[in-house]
Amino acid sequence: GQNIDQPTEMTATEGAIVQINCTYQTSGFNGLFWYQQHAGEAPTFLSYNVLDGLEEKGRFSSFLSRSKGYSYLLLKELQMKDSASYLCAVRDSNYQLIWGAGTKLIIKP
Amino acid sequence: ETGVTQTPRHLVMGMTNKKSLKCEQHLGHNAMYWYKQSAKKPLELMFVYSLEERVENNSVPSRFSPECPNSSHLFLHLHTLQPEDSALYLCASSQERGTGRDEQYFGPGTRLTVT
Repeated sequence: GQNIDQPTEMTATEGAIVQINCTYQTSGFNGLFWYQQHAGEAPTFLSYNVLDGLEEKGRFSSFLSRSKGYSYLLLKELQMKDSASYLCAVRDSNYQLIWGAGTKLIIKP
Repeated sequence: ETGVTQTPRHLVMGMTNKKSLKCEQHLGHNAMYWYKQSAKKPLELMFVYSLEERVENNSVPSRFSPECPNSSHLFLHLHTLQPEDSALYLCASSQERGTGRDEQYFGPGTRLTVT
């Protein structure tokens, strides 16, 4: 079967750095997405990786290793507003999006 | 209005009721999606429409009936629901369906409670 694994919950301190991991086992690979979802709100697109390596966008970076079936989202200079759930999703060979259950990130002062 | 809008935001209905959820996208996209989001579970894709044609129907019970009258509007008609159908229902749209980096844009969702 197809599977996306990410930690259920993580806690970090304001101003620090946190890395949220995502491992996947899918039928083929056609790209990996990260979304942010604040409580009670819609998921919003953060990043897309289809080639190995690091994609940087401001305080957020996303890394992909296709050979390892692994990605991470790196958040720097954490702010209280970064408290949210972070969803990893992989597009398989049929171009279907397979979603992880999300990682709830709690930022403490 | 911009982006993807959904109405109503909250809905409480009995198991014998009939109601409809509405989604509208103002992005000029060609694909629209219905998802179910339950606590601590992955997003469950329910239906996909591409250019107003239903292209995916992921074994969803017949008590959920989608309708896409045009590329900007999507409805989810509900009837004789069960308590386990209580969840957040999210609508999304994308430029195309499943090609390249076609990130999905989500609406705020309808929080549905079935009593």
